[in-house]
Amino acid sequence: ETGVTQTPRHLVMGMTNKKSLKCEQHLGHNAMYWYKQSAKKPLELMFVYNFKEQTENNSVPSRFSPECPNSSHLFLHLHTLQPEDSALYLCASSEGTGIYGYTFGSGTRLTVV
Amino acid sequence: LAKTTQPISMDSYEGQEVNITCSHNNIATNDYITWYQQFPSQGPRFIIQGYKTKVTNEVASLFIPADRKSSTLSLPRVSLSDTAVYYCLVGVGAAGNKLTFGGGTRVLVKP
Repeated sequence: ETGVTQTPRHLVMGMTNKKSLKCEQHLGHNAMYWYKQSAKKPLELMFVYNFKEQTENNSVPSRFSPECPNSSHLFLHLHTLQPEDSALYLCASSEGTGIYGYTFGSGTRLTVV
Repeated sequence: LAKTTQPISMDSYEGQEVNITCSHNNIATNDYITWYQQFPSQGPRFIIQGYKTKVTNEVASLFIPADRKSSTLSLPRVSLSDTAVYYCLVGVGAAGNKLTFGGGTRVLVKP
């Protein structure tokens, strides 16, 4: 356990479904992130939250909707996804400055059918 | 963030030392060099970070020459469980605080 907990670990959803991914950290970190990792591709940054405020949206389609109610929790709401959205979705947190100290969760393996 | 270049893959055997070199020619004065390890279906895990010269911890050593345009991650006496993808990142915390990953180096440790 890394200190960043993601649920569920695996998710299969149809293209018309709505689901949410959850990320929780109790490390006292101020920044939280969503990354996407597709097969044989580098990790892609999706969203950045710093002190609950979104500071980065890396041209992510609107079918992905993040929510950060507080510094400890981060959600990724999914709706009308496409099969090409199938990937490992990783949440990370950091103290807010410096590229050191990033802690990743174990990810949610998403399959869109 | 400075762009990094590292080998796509490396093979090694148990008990050997593995050295992975990363090139970062346009590293900025304030940039640090950080390495992460990722096992399949898991998130990356911080291994080591350095600014210059040599840094060593219980997992690895990081060698950085004076010009800082490259760095070498050294994994001593690897075991099968060290099979993973290793990422080199260069940058510094600032507004945005975002990590940009390259393709990494896939290290395969054979028995």
